[in-house]
Amino acid sequence: DQQVKQNSPSLSVQEGRISILNCDYTNSMFDYFLWYKKYPAEGPTFLISISSIKDKNEDGRFTVFLNKSAKHLSLHIVPSQPGDSAVYFCAAVNDYKLSFGAGTTVTVRA
Amino acid sequence: DTAVSQTPKYLVTQMGNDKSIKCEQNLGHDTMYWYKQDSKKFLKIMFSYNNKELIINETVPNRFSPKSPDKAHLNLHINSLELGDSAVYFCASSQDWGGSTGYTFGSGTRLTVV
Repeated sequence: DQQVKQNSPSLSVQEGRISILNCDYTNSMFDYFLWYKKYPAEGPTFLISISSIKDKNEDGRFTVFLNKSAKHLSLHIVPSQPGDSAVYFCAAVNDYKLSFGAGTTVTVRA
Repeated sequence: DTAVSQTPKYLVTQMGNDKSIKCEQNLGHDTMYWYKQDSKKFLKIMFSYNNKELIINETVPNRFSPKSPDKAHLNLHINSLELGDSAVYFCASSQDWGGSTGYTFGSGTRLTVV
């Protein structure tokens, strides 16, 4: 039973443009939402998080938006760079358990 | 100096064997985890330990047994390996429940059962 869903398996974006990744969840008890980035043969790397009581958190080129009523969050990357090409996982945590979405593969074109 | 290190990186073994994967973190975190990434790339939690105590044990076959000798180590023992156990196993750690600061993951152990 997937509580965190990423419905877009892939995203292709031109260098310098905005990348928008989307995520939906079903469990209203999640305390925090997080985004991870993963390169092949490496573990996921924490990017940014947002508390369930906030609606926006920004860190450099990365901004996460949370819409609790829609149970939806998104990650904006501006501007996109070639090094951003990776798999991005949406995740949510409650009670020491981090639940992941299936991931979205982002390809940044030169 | 790797924050979360797991060994081995690759493990190929025959069905029926017993194997262990080791994990160590030097971040001073008090919670450690084991995650499994299956063939469909889903990352699913298996176990969670907080200060050496088991706090999460998902529906994992009892052939899988975690062992935490101290806060910095969480090893995974697997008995009677089956073909379906082939996957990438990730160890992770966090401070408390890691909500705001996230989890730090190791680079994974690719287990292949033949």
